[in-house]
Amino acid sequence: KQEVTQIPAALSVPEGENLVLNCSFTDSAIYNLQWFRQDPGKGLTSLLLIQSSQREQTSGRLNASLDKSSGRSTLYIAASQPGDSATYLCAVRGVNQGGKLIFGQGTELSVKP
Amino acid sequence: EPEVTQTPSHQVTQMGQEVILRCVPISNHLYFYWYRQILGQKVEFLVSFYNNEISEKSEIFDDQFSVERPDGSNFTLKIRSTKLEDSAMYFCASTTTGYNEQFFGPGTRLTVL
Repeated sequence: KQEVTQIPAALSVPEGENLVLNCSFTDSAIYNLQWFRQDPGKGLTSLLLIQSSQREQTSGRLNASLDKSSGRSTLYIAASQPGDSATYLCAVRGVNQGGKLIFGQGTELSVKP
Repeated sequence: EPEVTQTPSHQVTQMGQEVILRCVPISNHLYFYWYRQILGQKVEFLVSFYNNEISEKSEIFDDQFSVERPDGSNFTLKIRSTKLEDSAMYFCASTTTGYNEQFFGPGTRLTVL
């Protein structure tokens, strides 16, 4: 059964710092991995989708990497801003699990001015 | 930019009552999903729907739950007899194919008293 874990659960950094959020999954048989942002009490905003054949995907200050064989993904945020404060979720879509996403518990990021 | 919409944003109901949560997926999407997030917990898959039928459902999705696409635009989740433990944020999602990026709505917060 696929399990997704995100470390750390919470992270507080000063504005301007570069940071890395981690996501690990137990079954490497995945189609893709999706990173989301969730603001308190709000919906999920898709940030990046990285296919199993890709190693990296970039969007603006965000860069997601994927190492499928080791069951790991990272989300790199460059030059963090207070507006980046939110919970970041990763989710995987497994090969033998239909189209559903399996989520990690999220990393709550706080960027201090 | 097209987006998934959900109504209502917040629903309060008494235990044992029926509720219907509504979603309008993105218009050219073919695959539809419901997820839920109990406060402080992971986002969990409930059900996927394609070609007017359920393609997959989780253990949570028991006989008290049903989904329907009554017309060409709406996608609904019905809970026949709500329980206290059904209190959660319910998210609708859609995608073009089963393995592309999933786009989520803003959610409906269901409170069962």
